[in-house]
Amino acid sequence: DAKTTQPPSMDCAEGRAANLPCNHSTISGNEYVYWYRQIHSQGPQYIIHGLKNNETNEMASLIITEDRKSSTLILPHATLRDTAVYYCIVSLNNNDMRFGAGTRLTVKP
Amino acid sequence: NAGVMQNPRHLVRRRGQEARLRCSPMKGHSHVYWYRQLPEEGLKFMVYLQKENIIDESGMPKERFSAEFPKEGPSILRIQQVVRGDSAAYFCASSPTSGGSYEQYFGPGTRLTVT
Repeated sequence: DAKTTQPPSMDCAEGRAANLPCNHSTISGNEYVYWYRQIHSQGPQYIIHGLKNNETNEMASLIITEDRKSSTLILPHATLRDTAVYYCIVSLNNNDMRFGAGTRLTVKP
Repeated sequence: NAGVMQNPRHLVRRRGQEARLRCSPMKGHSHVYWYRQLPEEGLKFMVYLQKENIIDESGMPKERFSAEFPKEGPSILRIQQVVRGDSAAYFCASSPTSGGSYEQYFGPGTRLTVT
């Protein structure tokens, strides 16, 4: 069972930042926050992960609150190709990934 | 560096037949994970294997399903006597090791249709 809560769907205008929230109030001290996305029926794609500090890579930024009970994935300039289901996962090890329902992000022109 | 490869991409089986799904992990990866995705649902973990060992099969149905990852060759997910409810997309992922700092890399999936 997923340990996270995400909104089922969100819309974002093309070119604007997409901010996807995730609640993980029961996260333990050693658990990481992972984000993956699944475009249409393709295999999930890794986006980013973090433990305590905020993280940034070429795809996105991950903001984790100080108490670690929630996080936000930020796609700085969303494009139509970013339309996908985004999964937030909390895991101690990468071998224990439990996917929830995710957030269906629709980027609109 | 080739990514995770799965074959076949599409598989059609009649009820009662066997289905064999193959997964070749990324080069250098010795950890393999299998997931199932029913239509309009999220991914469900099935099994986690290392070379020649099943580490966690808590998501595998008790009957008809088995998985292996031999010393040589791809990982195999085997479904015996398939039923219509087995129709789904099956995804394989791999990682170089376990541990929180490593992500999983997913293959394109095998879509199984049971007629």
